[in-house]
Amino acid sequence: EDQVTQSPEALRLQEGESSSLNCSYTVSGLRGLFWYRQDPGKGPEFLFTLYSAGEEKEKERLKATLTKKESFLHITAPKPEDSATYLCAVNYGGSQGNLIFGKGTKLSVKP
Amino acid sequence: ETGVTQTPRHLVMGMTNKKSLKCEQHLGHNAMYWYKQSAKKPLELMFVYSLEERVENNSVPSRFSPECPNSSHLFLHLHTLQPEDSALYLCASSRTGQLDTQYFGPGTRLTVL
Repeated sequence: EDQVTQSPEALRLQEGESSSLNCSYTVSGLRGLFWYRQDPGKGPEFLFTLYSAGEEKEKERLKATLTKKESFLHITAPKPEDSATYLCAVNYGGSQGNLIFGKGTKLSVKP
Repeated sequence: ETGVTQTPRHLVMGMTNKKSLKCEQHLGHNAMYWYKQSAKKPLELMFVYSLEERVENNSVPSRFSPECPNSSHLFLHLHTLQPEDSALYLCASSRTGQLDTQYFGPGTRLTVL
């Protein structure tokens, strides 16, 4: 049973075509939600951390939002260099926390 | 980008070989992690070290053996691996524990023949 589900699995956009990626979670006791970007053959690069419903964070063309059951990564007017796999991770429960990752959304932006 | 380094970046080994992966973090963090990333699967947490003590071992086969000599260095010793162990092995670090943001290295692409 998936506790962190990302959708879609893959997304193709034209340059300038805005869209959103989804990360839904079913864990209880959310301690934090993380977004990472991963380029082929490289390690994940940290983008954002969100801690509570209603929180939003922005960085260049990316904006992350959080509700009680899901997070969205909005991409405004994407460029080809935004092409990557975007990973969502959820930290929940316990004093030490438990971090689990989704499978990711592979984004391709065509010029 | 250079906060967490991993060597080697690529490794090909036979099933009877013994090899080690190395990770070094330059961020002054106190927690380090090993993850396995296979195609079409989420990142799988293998080991967690906090202040050089192993705090988590997620049912990883004994053919994987971690070592954390100090808070800046982490090793993963490999022996008698199986072809299904071929994957990208990622090291990460965070300031204290899993509640903090983790920063990843570039990974070691391991192929077991």
